[in-house]
Parts: sequence; C-alpha cells; structure tokens
Amino acid sequence: NAGVTQTPKFQVLKTGQSMTLQCAQDMNHEYMSWYRQDPGMGLRLIHYSVGAGITDQGEVPNGYNVSRSTTEDFPLRLLSAAPSQTSVYFCASSFTGLGQGKTEAFFGQGTRLTVV
Amino acid sequence: AQSVTQLDSQVPVFEEAPVELRCNYSSSVSVYLFWYVQYPNQGLQLLLKYLSGSTLVKGINGFEAEFNKSQTSFHLRKPSVHISDTAEYFCAVSVMGGYNTDKLIFGTGTRLQVFP
Repeated sequence: NAGVTQTPKFQVLKTGQSMTLQCAQDMNHEYMSWYRQDPGMGLRLIHYSVGAGITDQGEVPNGYNVSRSTTEDFPLRLLSAAPSQTSVYFCASSFTGLGQGKTEAFFGQGTRLTVV
Repeated sequence: AQSVTQLDSQVPVFEEAPVELRCNYSSSVSVYLFWYVQYPNQGLQLLLKYLSGSTLVKGINGFEAEFNKSQTSFHLRKPSVHISDTAEYFCAVSVMGGYNTDKLIFGTGTRLQVFP
C-alpha cells in the first residue's frame, strides 16, 4: 500500500496564481483532511471531508476550496495565491472516528509551497 | 473549546539522557489524546494514543506517556534517548467535528534535539 500520496512535493507560485494540491489514499478511508504547518503554530485544519460529496471547513478555510468526488482523492485548490499561504501542507486520512476518539490519522509527506 | 498546549518549543538533551515533553489539554468532556512525531522533511507518524483504561500508555520507539486527569496533562517520556529521536513532536486532542466525527487539534510542537 502507498498510504497517503501528495503531489507535488515543492511548488513556487506567483501572487494571484491558482493551483491544486493533490492528495490520494489507498486505504479506503472515509475521512480526509488538509492541514497547513507554520513555524510556531503547529498544524491547523483547513478543510475536511467525511466521505465522497461531503466536505466541511476547519479552522483556517479562507482562500482554499476542496471537493471530494471519490473516496480516494481529496484535492486542495488555492484560488488566488497570496504570500500568507506560504506554508507546508499536509493531507491526512483516517477511519471516521464517530466520536470515539479512534482517529489515527495517516499523513502524506507534505507539499512545501512558496508564494512570491 | 478543546485545545492542547505544549509548554516547550525546544528541548535539547544529550544522548542516553531521559527526556520529558510536556503537554496540557483543556477539555470539559472525555478526552482522547495523541502524540505524533515528525522526522525532518517527512509527514507525521503516530507515536501513541490514550483512549481509555490504563493511564500509562506505551508507544513505539520506547516512548510512553501518562494521562493525568487531575493535572490535565499528557506528558511524553523516554528513559534514554538516541540521536535518531531528533524530531518534532506534536501533542493532539480529538474533538467532535461536524457530521458526528472526530477531528484532531494539534499543539504547536516541541523540537527535540539530541546531542552526542
């Protein structure tokens, strides 16, 4: 199993450009999520999905869009990149916890994005 | 709102010395707590988790953590560290999200630096 695969690993964008960060998992997990990691701030949840066709916002959703058309894929779109979106982005997947705290999340390797 | 606080941003330690990484949580309901490790340029990997039962939880690579409800703490310990333990460590709490699922809220991380 590949686990959680993110592409690309590195990306440089100009302010105002758009792009899509790809995330795919092969574990048949229902729950997928996107985090951004910034120095001194840990990981913050951007958006998450509990299954195909169902998404919801996390702590820092502004400037990002998501959709979930299949169980395997959960792309993150930056509509108009800004320097404040320079960060490392992680995709994670897990079985839905259903309120029982069994959310062991499996993480991808990350995408390092720089917006200039 | 549930949250976690990691009291130390950096912990330097010599090889073979013991180490404790501190984590405090705030919650008014049952908690489920996790420690994740991030090695350089990699994604996050689960070290251990507390869901219920014994308050002393053992994880991978010789790490353990103790859940202390009265002190609202979940400190991570290892009796003798190795150079290979150099990494960033994140404490996380599972909170109820939308659609009756869990989502993880992370602390800001503690960078463990092991010196020879």
